[in-house]
Amino acid sequence: DTGVSQDPRHKITKRGQNVTFRCDPISEHNRLYWYRQTLGQGPEFLTYFQNEAQLEKSRLLSDRFSAERPKGSFSTLEIQRTEQGDSAMYLCASTIGGQEVAGELFFGEGSRLTVL
Amino acid sequence: KQEVTQIPAALSVPEGENLVLNCSFTDSAIYNLQWFRQDPGKGLTSLLLIQSSQREQTSGRLNASLDKSSGRSTLYIAASQPGDSATYLCAGFLYGNNRLAFGKGNQVVVIP
Repeated sequence: DTGVSQDPRHKITKRGQNVTFRCDPISEHNRLYWYRQTLGQGPEFLTYFQNEAQLEKSRLLSDRFSAERPKGSFSTLEIQRTEQGDSAMYLCASTIGGQEVAGELFFGEGSRLTVL
Repeated sequence: KQEVTQIPAALSVPEGENLVLNCSFTDSAIYNLQWFRQDPGKGLTSLLLIQSSQREQTSGRLNASLDKSSGRSTLYIAASQPGDSATYLCAGFLYGNNRLAFGKGNQVVVIP
């Protein structure tokens, strides 16, 4: 399968624990996005990478959130000291992007986080 | 901030009817527009991409159009089937902005 892969698909954790999600983009895609989606809402932008550089972060991404994309390949999104409000679907997407333009975005199946 | 509105939020139609889903942007400076399908608890599947030089795209029973002057897009699904039941999301890239802005979606139920 050459699509965007996310792991784990589901994560249940207790408030205050740390969680990490992984995204493997389509291999030739240089741009990678993280979005968050809650029930009944459209996805909200969190951050994106161009190769290994994190170029933009949303104000939604508090200090408890950190994302990396070492070597410009897979990416991880870590949430520290989780809160119940972090419960959501975390979506990863990839595309081929230039300085001011981007192509078609392809999304993974998402990682659903439930914080008890 | 770009806001995307999708109308109607939800609709039910009998099988065989044509579906028309609407999307509008507060900022019409869109260079790429995508329509996605999302099934419950799943990720997003790209349906159609309208690039900057295009006004519409077609794939099978699906047709999407984009009017940049008004910042509006329409997704047309011909001869709906129960398998078309899903949430449809539109999203656009603005010039100078490297993030896709999404609407809340059109939740569609096709009744057999």
